[in-house]
Amino acid sequence: EAGVVQSPRYKIIEKKQPVAFWCNPISGHNTLYWYLQNLGQGPELLIRYENEEAVDDSQLPKDRFSAERLKGVDSTLKIQPAELGDSAVYLCASSFSGSGQETQYFGPGTRLLVL
Amino acid sequence: GDSVTQMEGPVTLSEEAFLTINCTYTATGYPSLFWYVQYPGEGLQLLLKATKADDKGSNKGFEATYRKETTSFHLEKGSVQVSDSAVYFCALSLNAGKSTFGDGTTLTVKP
Repeated sequence: EAGVVQSPRYKIIEKKQPVAFWCNPISGHNTLYWYLQNLGQGPELLIRYENEEAVDDSQLPKDRFSAERLKGVDSTLKIQPAELGDSAVYLCASSFSGSGQETQYFGPGTRLLVL
Repeated sequence: GDSVTQMEGPVTLSEEAFLTINCTYTATGYPSLFWYVQYPGEGLQLLLKATKADDKGSNKGFEATYRKETTSFHLEKGSVQVSDSAVYFCALSLNAGKSTFGDGTTLTVKP
């Protein structure tokens, strides 16, 4: 079974440029998560989808970050414009349901460097 | 709010040594508790979990017991190997899928 796929794996951009990350969850998983992981810290939730609905986006900086999951499968996270402080690893995860009891399966992440 | 506090690292051990990584939590309600492991360049992988008080999660020789009275979920392994070198994250998850992670503990095992 294929795991969570993310692309690109690495991205280097200059500040004020836009950037987008893509995630394809495990087949059949209806819940999708985007996390931000700063160096030396644990993941912090940015947004959680159940199917195509964003059910928790309270930690998403909506002035520059946006996300979509139009068909309830793969998802895109966008930053526009990027700032130096956005340099981090962006993790995508998926699970079968959003009950809180289930295991989340993580992708390898996209490492973003903003210069 | 909900929080997870992990033992600060890095932790360096010799092969076959005993491992303990402490984890305590604060949560409203009754969370499920998890340990994830992250190898270099990879995403987090579930190591073990426990969903209610006194449950013991175990996998690959690692164990952790859900202690409600001390709000703890300490990770233990009796004999570590070089291949166990990684970053370990303790996490809790409440209803509706909201998860909170600790800051991770880096383990290095030397031959």
